[in-house]
Parts: sequence; C-alpha cells; structure tokens
Amino acid sequence: NAGVTQTPKFRILKIGQSMTLQCTQDMNHNYMYWYRQDPGMGLKLIYYSVGAGITDKGEVPNGYNVSRSTTEDFPLRLELAAPSQTSVYFCASSYRTGGDYEQYFGPGTRLTVT
Amino acid sequence: AQSVTQPDIHITVSEGASLELRCNYSYGATPYLFWYVQSPGQGLQLLLKYFSGDTLVQGIKGFEAEFKRSQSSFNLRKPSVHWSDAAEYFCAVYSGAGSYQLTFGKGTKLSVIP
Repeated sequence: NAGVTQTPKFRILKIGQSMTLQCTQDMNHNYMYWYRQDPGMGLKLIYYSVGAGITDKGEVPNGYNVSRSTTEDFPLRLELAAPSQTSVYFCASSYRTGGDYEQYFGPGTRLTVT
Repeated sequence: AQSVTQPDIHITVSEGASLELRCNYSYGATPYLFWYVQSPGQGLQLLLKYFSGDTLVQGIKGFEAEFKRSQSSFNLRKPSVHWSDAAEYFCAVYSGAGSYQLTFGKGTKLSVIP
C-alpha cells in the first residue's frame, strides 16, 4: 500500500494562475480531507469528503474548490492563486470519521504564490 | 467550539533526557485526543490517541500521554529522548457528535542536542 500520495511536492505559481493539487489514496477510505499548514499555525481544514460525489466546506474554504468523482481521488483546485495561499497542503484520509478512526496523511505539497 | 493550546513553541532537550510536551484543550464533553508527529519534509504520523478508558495511553516510538480531565490536559511524555525524535509535535482534538474536523494545536518543535 502506498497510503496517501500527493503531487506535486513543490510548486511556484504566479498571482492569478490556477492549478490542481492531486491526492490519491489506496486504502479504500470513505473520508478524505484537505488541510493547509501555515508556519506556527497548525493545520486548518479546507474541505472534506464523506464519499464519492459528496464534499463540504471546512474551516478555510475560500479560494479553493474540490471534487470527488472516485473513492481514491480528491483533487484540490486553486482558481486564482493569491499570495495568501502560500502554504503547505496536506491531504488525509480515514475509513470513517470519528475518534476511533485515524486520519492518514500524505507527504504534503509546498506551494508558493508570488 | 473546541480549541487546543500548545504553550511551548520550541523545546530543546539533550539526548537521553526526559521529555514532556504540554497540551491543553477546551471542550465541554470528553474529547477524542491525539498526538501527531511531523518529521521535516514529511506528513503527519499518529503517535497515540485517547478517547476512553485508562487515562495513560501508550503510543509508538516509546511515547506515552496522560489525560487529565481536571486540568483539561493531554501531555506527551518520553523517558529518554533519541536524536531521531527531533520533529514537530501536534496535539489535536476531535469533538465527535457529527463533526468531521480535527482541531490542531499550533505545534511544538523539538530539537535534540547530542
């Protein structure tokens, strides 16, 4: 099992450009999540999905979009990149939601918007 | 809303010394509590979790944590630190009751002196 994989690992965007961060998990997990991590700020939930075709906003969704067409994939879309979106992005998955079920994290994508 | 406070931004210990990382949470009921570790350039890995039962929980890599309801704390401990423990440590709380969100603290960076 590869677990949770993310691509790319690093990316530099110019202001106004768009891009998609890819996330794939091979654990047949129903739940998937996107977090951003800013220095000294911990992780903030951007969007989550409870299954294919079902997504919902987290704590900081503005400027992002997601889709979930398959169980395995949960891409995050930035439409008009802004410097405030410079961050490290982590994708995670879990079999179910709840304290009994561990969230497994990918290695992250470091994004810089200039 | 639940919150997590990690009072120490950065801690330095000597190899072989004991370690305690502090975590305080704010939540009305008994929370689900987690400690994650993030090595440089890596994603987050679960060290241990608590949601009921024995208030002293054992985790991977020789770590343990103690839940103290009266102090709203869930401190992480290790009796003898190894150089490979240098990383950033995050405490997180899951509120349950239909919530899909893990709330993270801002993290404590651990440096280990040889």
